[in-house]
Amino acid sequence: EDQVTQSPEALRLQEGESSSLNCSYTVSGLRGLFWYRQDPGKGPEFLFTLYSAGEEKEKERLKATLTKKESFLHITAPKPEDSATYLCAVWGGSEKLVFGKGTKLTVNP
Amino acid sequence: DTEVTQTPKHLVMGMTNKKSLKCEQHMGHRAMYWYKQKAKKPPELMFVYSYEKLSINESVPSRFSPECPNSSLLNLHLHALQPEDSALYLCASSQDLTGYTFGSGTRLTVV
Repeated sequence: EDQVTQSPEALRLQEGESSSLNCSYTVSGLRGLFWYRQDPGKGPEFLFTLYSAGEEKEKERLKATLTKKESFLHITAPKPEDSATYLCAVWGGSEKLVFGKGTKLTVNP
Repeated sequence: DTEVTQTPKHLVMGMTNKKSLKCEQHMGHRAMYWYKQKAKKPPELMFVYSYEKLSINESVPSRFSPECPNSSLLNLHLHALQPEDSALYLCASSQDLTGYTFGSGTRLTVV
C-alpha cells in the first residue's frame, strides 16, 4: 500500500527564516511525486511534480528535491504570503494520488 | 485555459434535497476526479473517470452519483445526504500524470 508521511505537522517561521518541509513515502513503483499548496477553503494549487530521484525543481522561493525515500520542499526567505498548508502526494502502484496529511506553515512578519 | 471550474462555490441543502455539483475543464484532460475534503484533512478520492467512463469508485455511498456527460464536464449528483457529508468537494483533471489540476471546490453544508 502506498503511504505518505509529512513532517512537521505545523511549522512557524519568522519572515526571512528559511526552512524545509519533509515528505517521506513508501510506494511500489513511483511514477510521480506532487507538491501542492492549499489555502483555507480553497482547492490545492499545483506547485511541482518530480518523477525520479535526484530531480529538483524551483519556483520563486520554493525548491523541491526528490530522493528514493523522501522529498523536501525548501522555502528560502519566506514571506507571510507563503503561509498555507503544503500537501505532498505520490502516484505509484495504487494508480491513484495518495496524499500526506500536510504541513501547515505560518510565516510571521 | 489551464483551470478547472467548479460551481457552485457554496451550497446549503437539506437532507431531503437533490442537488448537483458541476465541474468543467478545457485543457483536453482525459481523466477527471471527484474528491471530498474535511477540515484539516487531506483530500480523499471518491471517483475517477477516464475517457468519460467510470474507472474507480472508492466505495462511495449511493447518495453520491457521478456523471460525465462529455470529456469536459463532470457532475456529482447529491440526494438524501447526511450532515456528516458536509465538506469541501473538489474536482480535478489530468492527462496521464501531467497537469493534475484541482478546482477551487464547492463548500457543501447539509442541514
